[in-house]
Amino acid sequence: DGGITQSPKYLFRKEGQNVTLSCEQNLNHDAMYWYRQDPGQGLRLIYYSQIVNDFQKGDIAEGYSVSREKKESFPLTVTSAQKNPTAFYLCASSRTAGHQPQHFGDGTRLSIL
Amino acid sequence: GESVGLHLPTLSVQEGDNSIINCAYSNSASDYFIWYKQESGKGPQFIIDIRSNMDKRQGQRVTVLLNKTVKHLSLQIAATQPGDSAVYFCAENLGGNEKLTFGTGTRLTIIP
Repeated sequence: DGGITQSPKYLFRKEGQNVTLSCEQNLNHDAMYWYRQDPGQGLRLIYYSQIVNDFQKGDIAEGYSVSREKKESFPLTVTSAQKNPTAFYLCASSRTAGHQPQHFGDGTRLSIL
Repeated sequence: GESVGLHLPTLSVQEGDNSIINCAYSNSASDYFIWYKQESGKGPQFIIDIRSNMDKRQGQRVTVLLNKTVKHLSLQIAATQPGDSAVYFCAENLGGNEKLTFGTGTRLTIIP
């Protein structure tokens, strides 16, 4: 089945620790995205990548970093600089960037210990 | 500015009835719109999209209407079922922009 796989489903971070969220897609999509969702709010864009080896900051990139070394993979690192990391993180992909539906994984819920 | 909002945060509908979820957008240059459904603990699921050169588009039990004059988007779900209970988001894409802007969502509850 083609789709987007996010792992782990639940993740706990200690103070001062960096954690990496995995996102893999087998849809052969060029564009990939990371969003953050807080309770009762819409999705806010953290980073996006239109093509391999290229990515751009979204609206709330501070405290996060990404890489796009392979077309299939777009991992997100939540660094210790992100002071309020508790949220539901969603990864998405689309065939190209813009004017295409984005397809989402089932998210990773990050909490602070 | 670029913003997407919803008229009602919650909506309860009797099973079997039709439901209408509304969305307002502020940027007249937005030219592509999407509706998503999100169930608890899951990622948003694509329902239907529409481009600004269309007023209406139909899918299976769903219809999206676009009124560019008043910058309004609606999602109609026919013959609602318990599985339709979820949060529904609209999203807009500003022409030439790679990003989608999402609304905060409407929670639809189907009453058995």
